[in-house]
Amino acid sequence: DAKTTQPNSMESNEEEPVHLPCNHSTISGTDYIHWYRQLPSQGPEYVIHGLTSNVNNRMASLAIAEDRKSSTLILHRATLRDAAVYYCILGSQTGANNLFFGTGTRLTVIP
Amino acid sequence: NAGVMQNPRHLVRRRGQEARLRCSPMKGHSHVYWYRQLPEEGLKFMVYLQKENIIDESGMPKERFSAEFPKEGPSILRIQQVVRGDSAAYFCASSPVAGPTEAFFGQGTRLTVV
Repeated sequence: DAKTTQPNSMESNEEEPVHLPCNHSTISGTDYIHWYRQLPSQGPEYVIHGLTSNVNNRMASLAIAEDRKSSTLILHRATLRDAAVYYCILGSQTGANNLFFGTGTRLTVIP
Repeated sequence: NAGVMQNPRHLVRRRGQEARLRCSPMKGHSHVYWYRQLPEEGLKFMVYLQKENIIDESGMPKERFSAEFPKEGPSILRIQQVVRGDSAAYFCASSPVAGPTEAFFGQGTRLTVV
């Protein structure tokens, strides 16, 4: 399974943008990049996913490097409710959703 | 449309007993995934099922663990003869199709083996 590398933790001030990096240098051509987050004592929550082009939705934006070896999840204005562990995951185009989670980045939002 | 429902939310079992964890996917979803999360660790994939079929069980321990997703009713993750090391949060997710799409997770079942 292709691996991802994320910082263990990051901090952000409330109402400021947050850029969460992810390296995936061994990504294959058919691997999608998924982001999930997990709030304390809850199940993971889908954030966004993409293949090659940058993606935007109501929660976040996903910026994918041209060589696809890295990506960045962008939260445009962090709120206290965004404090969570964020997981960057590579998923096969045909491998359904048996996702392989790493240890993720723990985001702390400072009021 | 209710989300993914897991029950019970908390389960306590003595060593050697059986644990049965249930997962009702979202309406219209025929793909179910089970994950295990040990304390302070990330989620580990266990098994992927599609109605009545096990598609991928590469993450399931070879002994004592089994999963099913019958034609009618919830998906069941069954752990026989539980041991302390089975204590973890078990999450179920569902999706409407295979392939890269949003997976919806339940709130999990927290199993404690005493």
